[in-house]
Amino acid sequence: EVQLVESGGGLVQPGRSLRLSCVGSGFTFDDYAILWVRQAPGKGLEWVSCVSWNSDIIAYADSVKGRFTISRDNAQNSVYLEMNRLTAEDTALYYCAKALRTITVIGNSLDAWGQGTMVTVSS
Amino acid sequence: SFELTQPPSVSVSLGQTASISCSGDKLGDKYICWYQQKPGQSPVLVIYQDVKRPSGIPERFSGSNSGDTATLTISGTQTMDEADYYCQAWDSTTVAFGGGTRLTLL
Repeated sequence: EVQLVESGGGLVQPGRSLRLSCVGSGFTFDDYAILWVRQAPGKGLEWVSCVSWNSDIIAYADSVKGRFTISRDNAQNSVYLEMNRLTAEDTALYYCAKALRTITVIGNSLDAWGQGTMVTVSS
Repeated sequence: SFELTQPPSVSVSLGQTASISCSGDKLGDKYICWYQQKPGQSPVLVIYQDVKRPSGIPERFSGSNSGDTATLTISGTQTMDEADYYCQAWDSTTVAFGGGTRLTLL
């Protein structure tokens, strides 16, 4: 069974940092791109970042560019999201999701999602 | 940035056909996918590459994409289909989601 498990969320003060983790199982982790998508309370889905299977392609939404860094460690079946200079607008449930098709990242769909980890930015 | 526009809500009677639109500039030139999200749950992929259904998704879900508009159609809508639906597309190396449509059964 394909599983993605996020962790690392919590309550953090504005301007501080947080590191999220996503661990995958039940599939060949290093064949697939992984994306982070967030959802503010009561709001819609917002793409945050993506990383290709070999970290060759990395992209960010404009809203987080320069503050967030995505990375992956295929030996640990893990993807990370380092979040710096957090603001209240970053408060959301953060999901990691697996690409449907192997190798490609651009143009892919997301066929498996974790349960999400909640990040709350507040003083 | 590339924008996708969905109606905030769509209502349908039990057993009837629901259509949810997603519009964007030259959307027909891109692949669209659709996600279903029920309250308190993670999104589920229901349509990818405009018209394909992942395994396990009922045949009553179908999709189309042409011109500036993509459409998710649910035929014979059931109570379990009541949910939020999001369209998604890629624009170069970035991902766009529509704002979401709440499907309500009358």
